[in-house]
Amino acid sequence: DVKVTQSSRYLVKRTGEKVFLECVQDMDHENMFWYRQDPGLGLRLIYFSYDVKMKEKGDIPEGYSVSREKKERFSLILESASTNQTSMYLCASCGPNTEAFFGQGTRLTVV
Amino acid sequence: QKEVEQDPGPLSVPEGAIVSLNCTYSNSAFQYFMWYRQYSRKGPELLMYTYSSGNKEDGRFTAQVDKSSKYISLFIRDSQPSDSATYLCAMSSNTGFQKLVFGTGTRLLVSP
Repeated sequence: DVKVTQSSRYLVKRTGEKVFLECVQDMDHENMFWYRQDPGLGLRLIYFSYDVKMKEKGDIPEGYSVSREKKERFSLILESASTNQTSMYLCASCGPNTEAFFGQGTRLTVV
Repeated sequence: QKEVEQDPGPLSVPEGAIVSLNCTYSNSAFQYFMWYRQYSRKGPELLMYTYSSGNKEDGRFTAQVDKSSKYISLFIRDSQPSDSATYLCAMSSNTGFQKLVFGTGTRLLVSP
């Protein structure tokens, strides 16, 4: 059974904190993605990675960074969390075709 | 104007009804069309994937693409309470998943 696992389902952080969201996939996929999902806005791509140590900005990278030191792990970093980063964060991975698998999501609240 | 428009719903139907979910889009270069189902507090899962125009059927689900009208549909026959979820359309002009543009999702409620 294929799996994309996000480290936390729910997180509450304070404004200004550095926040790490972790994602691990067990399918040996080259491509990994971070999205945020907000009501009325749908899924928006933050960053993606097509190989270890490679990263590309998505549509809304401001305020975020990523790290991919190993093929199976893709981390999203909020350098200084702000209240407008309160959202559902979704990690996904895919192989050579376009079928992608999503994690369960992390609901982040910044207070 | 958004590239992909999708009615947010909720759409409420009785069990056994035929459900029609729709998306319109503005980019004529889109060729790959997908439907994802997302249950509450879960990540989206791929339901249907079609390339270019035409129909594709999988059990109770049929995906339809009309590129001339820039309109895609997902039909669910004999709807079940377990179909209650949010349905997201997504589309792309090439095979790169990072190029997918998602609709905002339609929430479907199927009552017993």
